[in-house]
Amino acid sequence: NAGVTQTPKFRILKIGQSMTLQCTQDMNHNYMYWYRQDPGMGLKLIYYSVGAGITDKGEVPNGYNVSRSTTEDFPLRLELAAPSQTSVYFCASSPPRTGGGRTFFGQGTRLTVV
Amino acid sequence: GNSVTQMEGPVTLSEEAFLTINCTYTATGYPSLFWYVQYPGEGLQLLLKATKADDKGSNKGFEATYRKETTSFHLEKGSVQVSDSAVYFCALENTNTGNQFYFGTGTSLTVIP
Repeated sequence: NAGVTQTPKFRILKIGQSMTLQCTQDMNHNYMYWYRQDPGMGLKLIYYSVGAGITDKGEVPNGYNVSRSTTEDFPLRLELAAPSQTSVYFCASSPPRTGGGRTFFGQGTRLTVV
Repeated sequence: GNSVTQMEGPVTLSEEAFLTINCTYTATGYPSLFWYVQYPGEGLQLLLKATKADDKGSNKGFEATYRKETTSFHLEKGSVQVSDSAVYFCALENTNTGNQFYFGTGTSLTVIP
């Protein structure tokens, strides 16, 4: 039972480069999320999705894009990396309207933009 | 809106000391409240939760009570161990907004032998 799997675990990007952070879950969860965690801060929601084909912006969406073509996968795209995007990124998934802590988090991707 | 305010750290305690990490929240509706723990180099793990007022969540010796009257969810442990060294996040989940989580800034705990 893998849960939420993120790849890669670490990445260094140069300013202006692009990359995709991968996230997949095997729990058949409808809801998926991308958060970023800056040093000394809590997690901030970037984008979320309530089902395949549906995505919506969270608190800090600028500089990112997402897609949700399948229930399992929710990739996060950085088109033009900037130093401000240096952060740890967490993907998460949950059933709809859990109200009880059935959200599962991935291990995180540590991204450095230089 | 929804927000979580958490006691700032870092916190350093001796083994077997009593731990309290304060957490207060603002929310619309009736959120669920959580404590997550993040060990060095790892992702977030759910430590405990409470889904309604006066509920007490507990796990691994940690406890927190959902206090609606004071909008608080303070984390406590009677006797900490070195293995409890980690960052602790208070969070709320509001089903009114698509199960979005709102996190506090985290409190780093170091327990010394």
